[in-house]
Amino acid sequence: EDKVVQSPLSLVVHEGDTVTLNCSYEVTNFRSLLWYKQEKKAPTFLFMLTSSGIEKKSGRLSSILDKKELFSILNITATQTGDSAIYLCAVEKGAQKLVFGQGTRLTINP
Amino acid sequence: EAQVTQNPRYLITVTGKKLTVTCSQNMNHEYMSWYRQDPGLGLRQIYYSMNVEVTDKGDVPEGYKVSRKEKRNFPLILESPSPNQTSLYFCASSTPGLLYNEQFFGPGTRLTVL
Repeated sequence: EDKVVQSPLSLVVHEGDTVTLNCSYEVTNFRSLLWYKQEKKAPTFLFMLTSSGIEKKSGRLSSILDKKELFSILNITATQTGDSAIYLCAVEKGAQKLVFGQGTRLTINP
Repeated sequence: EAQVTQNPRYLITVTGKKLTVTCSQNMNHEYMSWYRQDPGLGLRQIYYSMNVEVTDKGDVPEGYKVSRKEKRNFPLILESPSPNQTSLYFCASSTPGLLYNEQFFGPGTRLTVL
């Protein structure tokens, strides 16, 4: 059975801290791994990763994929209160068939 | 403005009363999907469509139907809703690309079945 597992499920840190969110997967026919941010509404796209070892960056956020060990991490440096959200990891298996993890609820305290 | 719209945004209904949640996108996307989101379970794919008249089951299709008669619309039909279908539903669309495959999500429909 396909599985995507995120950890931790919940994380509370102070503004300015650096956080690392984890996503491990066991999925047949892997095509890509995607990260989304969900605030009080619909998820918004952050990154798509297809190759191992190539870091994707967007401002203070970065992500990397390890296809040998079947995991990805999402790093957020110098966190701000606006980073508070649920972060979702999803694996695409075949075109448009996505399996999501449970999400990590990140809370940034001022 | 490029967007995915869903209607209704909120719905309270009773067991067995057929309902349809509409989804429409204005980006000419080939791919569309329906998800449900439940606490502790994340997003689970219900059905997806790769183009007009092409649909396939996701991970939790039981109790749901879909149709894709036009490229822009992808309605979700609950023929006989039950309380275990109480959930937050998202529609999403995207277009295939070798390097980029972002899904655009609609605003969500919160459904309560009594």
